[in-house]
Amino acid sequence: QVQLQESGPGLVKPSETLSLTCTVSGGSISSYYWTWMRQPPGKGLEWIGYIYYTGSSNYNPSLKSRVTMSVDTSKNQFSLKLSSVTAADTAVYYCARGANSFSYWGLGTLVTVSS
Amino acid sequence: QSALTQPASVSGSPGQSITISCTGSSSDVGGYNYVSWYQQHPGKAPKLMISDVSNRPSGVSNRFSGSKSGNTASLTISGLQTEDEADYYCSSYTSSSTRVFGTGTKVTVL
Repeated sequence: QVQLQESGPGLVKPSETLSLTCTVSGGSISSYYWTWMRQPPGKGLEWIGYIYYTGSSNYNPSLKSRVTMSVDTSKNQFSLKLSSVTAADTAVYYCARGANSFSYWGLGTLVTVSS
Repeated sequence: QSALTQPASVSGSPGQSITISCTGSSSDVGGYNYVSWYQQHPGKAPKLMISDVSNRPSGVSNRFSGSKSGNTASLTISGLQTEDEADYYCSSYTSSSTRVFGTGTKVTVL
């Protein structure tokens, strides 16, 4: 059974860079698209973007200038960096497998932006 | 990109059928057969219920079905059960090659 696990700091200071990693177990990261999404407390889901195992990526235009995604096939991991964060970036961040539909999800990790 | 429009809430009694709509445009829902639906219980990660408009993944109850007409996709839950009480989100591919989620619908079982 494929499992995903997000990891990274739960607290980030304003203007700094949020960095998260998603570790995939029970299957290979190869041959799939991998997506990041987020959900502010009490609000809906927002698509951040995806990365293919080859490294090609596509981001939400509203976040594109601040987002960088990468993949490490040797570690079966992919990562998200979001720069210049503000309080509006406080959310539960999810990683998932897929590009058009998301069949496997991580449990999510809450990232709070606060000084 | 604007979120797809869903009703804020839908309710029904056990055993009844309910339908949740997801309205977009010809640039997303209406233009592609890449609409998916997710169920999210409080404090939990979303779960894929329907992919590609009407495909039900293995393990998902056949009480859940999806369809699309024009720019509106729909999720129907038949034989409503108490465990169906959750938030539901639609998602679609867009003409910009991005993805967009719906505003979300809270389903209440009366």
